[in-house]
Amino acid sequence: NAGVTQTPKFQVLKTGQSMTLQCAQDMNHEYMSWYRQDPGMGLRLIHYSVGAGITDQGEVPNGYNVSRSTTEDFPLRLLSAAPSQTSVYFCASKSRQRLGYTFGSGTRLTVV
Amino acid sequence: SQQGEEDPQALSIQEGENATMNCSYKTSINNLQWYRQNSGRGLVHLILIRSNEREKHSGRLRVTLDTSKKSSSLLITASRAADTASYFCATDPYNTNAGKSTFGDGTTLTVKP
Repeated sequence: NAGVTQTPKFQVLKTGQSMTLQCAQDMNHEYMSWYRQDPGMGLRLIHYSVGAGITDQGEVPNGYNVSRSTTEDFPLRLLSAAPSQTSVYFCASKSRQRLGYTFGSGTRLTVV
Repeated sequence: SQQGEEDPQALSIQEGENATMNCSYKTSINNLQWYRQNSGRGLVHLILIRSNEREKHSGRLRVTLDTSKKSSSLLITASRAADTASYFCATDPYNTNAGKSTFGDGTTLTVKP
């Protein structure tokens, strides 16, 4: 039981490049979410999903896309990276019965 | 804007002392959660309190919730150096999707040996 697995752990992108941050969970959780955390701040919700095939926007969705084709996977796509997207990205999942998140270890992204 | 706001932003205490941190929020909620984040790591869920509960305990943690004041407190008793971390509250707003948990900016706790 690995929990929530995020890859890669570190990534440097050039402005304008695109990439996909991977997230997978093996706990059969219905809910999955992507957050970003900027230095010294809390987490801001980018996108979330309540089940396979269902996604919705959070507080800061611009510049990001998601899809949820399976219960296990919830990738986050950066369409055209900008320096303002330099941040630490966390994927998290939770079940309907137990409403506390299990977090991945994060992806530290730098856009130059 | 953030739903939850923690107070204080930073707290420094000696080992063995109690640590209290507070969270205020703006709208009605279904539940409130507390998380811990060690430096550079992901968040770890500590405890969840539902809107119809007033107090909850888990080991050395005690959480209270006052929905009339839209506030919660987290008390860590007999603190240890290993409790040094940032602590965040998160809320699931009332009558909205539970996937939309909103986090505050956190309290940074330092416990000196």
